[in-house]
Amino acid sequence: GAGVSQSPSNKVTEKGKDVELRCDPISGHTALYWYRQSLGQGLEFLIYFQGNSAPDKSGLPSDRFSAERTGGSVSTLTIQRTQQEDSAVYLCASSLAGTGGLNEQFFGPGTRLTVL
Amino acid sequence: GQSLEQPSEVTAVEGAIVQINCTYQTSGFYGLSWYQQHDGGAPTFLSYNALDGLEETGRFSSFLSRSDSYGYLLLQELQMKDSASYFCAAPVGGYNKLIFGAGTRLAVHP
Repeated sequence: GAGVSQSPSNKVTEKGKDVELRCDPISGHTALYWYRQSLGQGLEFLIYFQGNSAPDKSGLPSDRFSAERTGGSVSTLTIQRTQQEDSAVYLCASSLAGTGGLNEQFFGPGTRLTVL
Repeated sequence: GQSLEQPSEVTAVEGAIVQINCTYQTSGFYGLSWYQQHDGGAPTFLSYNALDGLEETGRFSSFLSRSDSYGYLLLQELQMKDSASYFCAAPVGGYNKLIFGAGTRLAVHP
């Protein structure tokens, strides 16, 4: 079956512009995560969705970052008024059940964001 | 604070065994996961330890000692394709949130 897909694969934008990143999780996966990975670094948790529950937004670095998940499937991460420090690879992952980090997470290929 | 520490780089030769260590400091502990990431690729899950001891999956094994706040990933019969970055990770804060170490870059040489 299809894995997690993300679009676009690359995004170059100018400082101050808004960007939207999309994630399509594996069908049937109820949990969805967004992470950010800077070059040569580990993954930084951003936000977690589980079914219809309120998302865990504790990792969002500022109020310029927001995310939503429509119909329990597709998710969009929005960054408003982008800054150069937002440049990173944004990774989406999904997992089967709502046991948080305990379950194997399946990652998408990521969106490489470059803010000029 | 909450953190996972692992060596930045490890080098080994084909056919050898290598151990990648991870020490953690977290408020609340549910277990330790390991992920592999090839350059330019997505992380892929390798293993998870919720209890102390050794978990074996083919050439890869993972170990956890809760009393020592320590775990490791053991890779046996190394192959060139094992050259990648390896991350330890732990769920924290109600365990929805997964925090990652900075990663260990493994280089396997002929």
